[in-house]
Amino acid sequence: KAGVTQTPRYLIKTRGQQVTLSCSPISGHRSVSWYQQTPGQGLQFLFEYFSETQRNKGNFPGRFSGRQFSNSRSEMNVSTLELGDSALYLCASSLETGFGYTFGSGTRLTVV
Amino acid sequence: AQSVAQPEDQVNVAEGNPLTVKCTYSVSGNPYLFWYVQYPNRGLQFLLKYITGDNLVKGSYGFEAEFNKSQTSFHLKKPSALVSDSALYFCAVRDDTNAGKSTFGDGTTLTVKP
Repeated sequence: KAGVTQTPRYLIKTRGQQVTLSCSPISGHRSVSWYQQTPGQGLQFLFEYFSETQRNKGNFPGRFSGRQFSNSRSEMNVSTLELGDSALYLCASSLETGFGYTFGSGTRLTVV
Repeated sequence: AQSVAQPEDQVNVAEGNPLTVKCTYSVSGNPYLFWYVQYPNRGLQFLLKYITGDNLVKGSYGFEAEFNKSQTSFHLKKPSALVSDSALYFCAVRDDTNAGKSTFGDGTTLTVKP
């Protein structure tokens, strides 16, 4: 059974650029969440999608956005990148709310 | 509002000894509680969860956790630690009214020495 797949694994971008990260959840999982992990802030919730609808959003600026497709695959987009956006971005999927999440290996974004 | 605290940055135990990693939480409604483990250069792995029912929850790799409502705690335990248990452990909480949003603790690094 394939796990949660995140692409790409590594990204280097320049300040001001935009970036799109992709997440393919476990087959059958309808809930997809995104988290930002940094040494200083730990794991911070970005947003959660369920059946193509955003159900919850964390305290991040509007530059951070996401979407979920009908096959449950999800993308998150960060526009006008800042140095502080450098982080490990983790995607997690779950069958339903309340189940434990399965996390992907993450995308390491470096903004220079 | 929901929050979770892991009061210890680091826990050191000897192999074969019992281990406890502490977690306390705060939620407005009923808590959904989770433990995850992160090994170096790998994603988080789900260990166990408490939603409702028995206060003692058993999970993967011999870990268990005890839900204590009066103390708002959800400590992770294992009767006999292994060197391979050395990793970063995260406690997470979600209010049952807060769809999809889990709040994670800062993590506790567990080191098991031979």
